Amino acid sequence: NAGVTQTPKFQVLKTGQSMTLQCAQDMNHNSMYWYRQDPGMGLRLIYYSASEGTTDKGEVPNGYNVSRLNKREFSLRLESAAPSQTSVYFCASSESFSFFGGASSGANVLTFGAGSRLTVL
Amino acid sequence: AQKITQTQPGMFVQEKEAVTLDCTYDTSDPSYGLFWYKQPSSGEMIFLIYQGSYDQQNATEGRYSLNFQKARKSANLVISASQLGDSAMYFCAMREGLYGGSQGNLIFGKGTKLSVKP
Repeated sequence: NAGVTQTPKFQVLKTGQSMTLQCAQDMNHNSMYWYRQDPGMGLRLIYYSASEGTTDKGEVPNGYNVSRLNKREFSLRLESAAPSQTSVYFCASSESFSFFGGASSGANVLTFGAGSRLTVL
Repeated sequence: AQKITQTQPGMFVQEKEAVTLDCTYDTSDPSYGLFWYKQPSSGEMIFLIYQGSYDQQNATEGRYSLNFQKARKSANLVISASQLGDSAMYFCAMREGLYGGSQGNLIFGKGTKLSVKP
């Protein structure tokens, strides 16, 4: 199983350029997420999709758009890249959360892609 | 207010010793889940352990255990018998229920960098 695959792994952009980060999962998960990771900040949620056909803003959505293309794929678009968007981006997926999953290993777990390092000059 | 607080930016531990990484959380929702993830220098996020708010016993996974103190809103990660390969960033995270305002999304702390000394 590939799990969560995101592309590209590395990208350098100039200010004002646009690009799309692609993400696909093969675990039949309902929910998908885009996070960014900056030094000293942990991971912050940009957008999420609780199920196919829905998308919602997270903590830091400004400057980004997303598309849930189908159940497998969730893309993140930067329309006009800015240096502040230099970061490592992670896509993740999970089952819909259930609080009654007990302590079983793997319950309600987000599975992450390998990350995409984006530099905006 | 931060929902997840990790007060130790960095820690050192001697190989083969146990280490505790601290995590406190803030929620008014009775239904939530607590997670620990490991991020080695290669960058991937690796799930370690999960604790549900209704779970009666502390979670354990091999050398990892979660010291869950609900009244203190504390979810510390204990790594027993540290190995050199445990050197990494460790993130505590929480998912709240429908009433917590985060729509069940995973909220992360800022992480603790653990270094294991030979």
